[in-house]
Amino acid sequence: TQLLEQSPQFLSIQEGENLTVYCNSSSVFSSLQWYRQEPGEGPVLLVTVVTGGEVKKLKRLTFQFGDARKDSSLHITAAQTGDTGLYLCAGPPPTISNSGYALNFGKGTSLLVTP
Amino acid sequence: DSGVTQTPKHLITATGQRVTLRCSPRSGDLSVYWYQQSLDQGLQFLIHYYNGEERAKGNILERFSAQQFPDLHSELNLSSLELGDSALYFCASSVEAGGRTEAFFGQGTRLTVV
Repeated sequence: TQLLEQSPQFLSIQEGENLTVYCNSSSVFSSLQWYRQEPGEGPVLLVTVVTGGEVKKLKRLTFQFGDARKDSSLHITAAQTGDTGLYLCAGPPPTISNSGYALNFGKGTSLLVTP
Repeated sequence: DSGVTQTPKHLITATGQRVTLRCSPRSGDLSVYWYQQSLDQGLQFLIHYYNGEERAKGNILERFSAQQFPDLHSELNLSSLELGDSALYFCASSVEAGGRTEAFFGQGTRLTVV
C-alpha cells in the first residue's frame, strides 16, 4: 500500500485568508485526486491531476501535481466558511490490472474557516 | 447527490450481533468499493466488486463479507460485532475511466456498536 501523508492534520483560519495543504508520498503516482468531505456526507471528488507539474484551478482552489508525481498541493485563496471540511488526497495503486484496484486515501486535512 | 445510495444511514447494535449494510451504485457503474472510516485510521479500503465478482481485498476482517448482486447493488455483512467496529462505512462506485478510478461516494452508514 502506498502511503499518502497529508499535512497539516488540522487547520483553523478566518474567512479571507489563504491556505495551502499538502499531500506527500515516497511513491510515484500515475494520478492523484482531491476530495472534500463535509460532516455527515461522503467524500466528493474535486479534481484529478495526471501530468507531473500540472496545475488545475477550480474557482478559488488551485491544485498542483509535483513534477515527480510524488506529491500534490491544494491552495485556497480567500477562504470562505463554505470551504470548511475534510480535504482528502487519493491515488491508485502502482499496478492497475484486471484483478481490481481501489484508491488509497490519505488521512486528510480538517479545515475550519470561521467568520 | 452522487447517485450512490446507502442504507441505513444510522445503525446502533450490540456487541456480538450481525448487521447488513446496503449500497446501490450509480446507474451504469459496475464497480462497487467498500470503505471504513474511523477517526484514527482514516478511509480504509475494505473490498472491491466488479460486475458481481470480487476483484480486490483490502483491510477487511474475516468477520466481514460482501457480495454484489446481478442488479449490481452490494451488501456488506458485519458479524460478531465488536466495539472497535464502530465507524462510518462508505460505498463508492466508479466508471474506472482508463487508469484513473474516479469514485462517487454514498452518504455512508454510521455504525455504533454498544
